[in-house]
Amino acid sequence: DTEVTQTPKHLVMGMTNKKSLKCEQHMGHRAMYWYKQKAKKPPELMFVYSYEKLSINESVPSRFSPECPNSSLLNLHLHALQPEDSALYLCASSQSRLGRGLQETQYFGPGTRLLVL
Amino acid sequence: GENVEQHPSTLSVQEGDSAVIKCTYSDSASNYFPWYKQELGKRPQLIIDIRSNVGEKKDQRIAVTLNKTAKHFSLHITETQPEDSAVYFCAARAPTDSWGKFQFGAGTQVVVTP
Repeated sequence: DTEVTQTPKHLVMGMTNKKSLKCEQHMGHRAMYWYKQKAKKPPELMFVYSYEKLSINESVPSRFSPECPNSSLLNLHLHALQPEDSALYLCASSQSRLGRGLQETQYFGPGTRLLVL
Repeated sequence: GENVEQHPSTLSVQEGDSAVIKCTYSDSASNYFPWYKQELGKRPQLIIDIRSNVGEKKDQRIAVTLNKTAKHFSLHITETQPEDSAVYFCAARAPTDSWGKFQFGAGTQVVVTP
């Protein structure tokens, strides 16, 4: 399996809802990432997990809560979001966070398109 | 930290012509430079990458060149086809940016007209 998968593909939620985004990879990668992407802009890094431990939180508001239950799964829990949080949320993985060769290449999932009303 | 500038922001080419996108980076320690192609509504897909110990890399119609002295790297697409229409992002990673953090360029919208 050489893919990163994400569910759901689309999500519409109200500002008082709680929802979760899921990401899965079976490539044996040990680093996983959450990005937020607005239309025609580059991905913006939100969180990095390395060996199931949170390594980077790019000053993301607490209404976004990441979780890495195991080396293949990454979740993003959403609560009390704002309309400006509407975006494409991308998950990515790489073999490891540092290193030489192919280890740092990041592979993206298809994303979850989120609309907050 | 690293800063990456990408030009042009939009590029229109006739089918069959070549397209060139250029990125400059600020951190001379940067050593990994991937290029991603993102079609409308789809995921960014890695199309080619280069490391600082190599000056040029080619994969069929796509090539990337790296000039470490000038701190810039470029994507070259030859014999463009309509399916090359997409947004292209360059990125750079410096060893000092731990945890695998990429700095992305702002993107180039490429339109290939038949």
